[in-house]
Amino acid sequence: DAGVIQSPRHEVTEMGQEVTLRCKPISGHDYLFWYRQTMMRGLELLIYFNNNVPIDDSGMPEDRFSAKMPNASFSTLKIQPSEPRDSAVYFCASRRGLGYGYTFGSGTRLTVV
Amino acid sequence: GQQLNQSPQSMFIQEGEDVSMNCTSSSIFNTWLWYKQEPGEGPVLLIALYKAGELTSNGRLTAQFGITRKDSFLNISASIPSDVGIYFCAGQLNTGNQFYFGTGTSLTVIP
Repeated sequence: DAGVIQSPRHEVTEMGQEVTLRCKPISGHDYLFWYRQTMMRGLELLIYFNNNVPIDDSGMPEDRFSAKMPNASFSTLKIQPSEPRDSAVYFCASRRGLGYGYTFGSGTRLTVV
Repeated sequence: GQQLNQSPQSMFIQEGEDVSMNCTSSSIFNTWLWYKQEPGEGPVLLIALYKAGELTSNGRLTAQFGITRKDSFLNISASIPSDVGIYFCAGQLNTGNQFYFGTGTSLTVIP
């Protein structure tokens, strides 16, 4: 089991550019979550999917953020246009059913300059 | 969202000492989780608790699901340098599919 795989590990981009973060959940996990971690706000849930369908996107901060899950093995989080305040570590996590904890990926550290 | 308060916020202890930390909420949860996060990595699940009063161990770690279902506790016995990291609690409501995370307890172990 390779775990949850995120790419890239680090991303530095200029303000106004489009950023795409990628996630491959653990095979067989039917829930996928995107979190953002900052010193000020801790771990914030942005959006989660169940069986590839977005269930709750109330944590997505603005229309600049969008997420997709075209199939059970891939999800993307896109920020367009990016702003310096989007700088954070973005985590993807997956779980199998409701009775289990999450498995997190190693995260993508995003810096917008 | 739900507020989970962890205390203490940070701890500096000598190697070999025991550690206690807790997590409290104003809401009743049906599941509590404890995670550890090391620098540059994602949180790693340590212990999961599913019933009020449940006491579960994982090596030197022991966690308890509070009787009120509004709190949980984590103890680490005989700490070692590799215990360094940030420990997060997470709780799930009866009605929800997501976990809410606490603010974290940063642990430093001095050799």
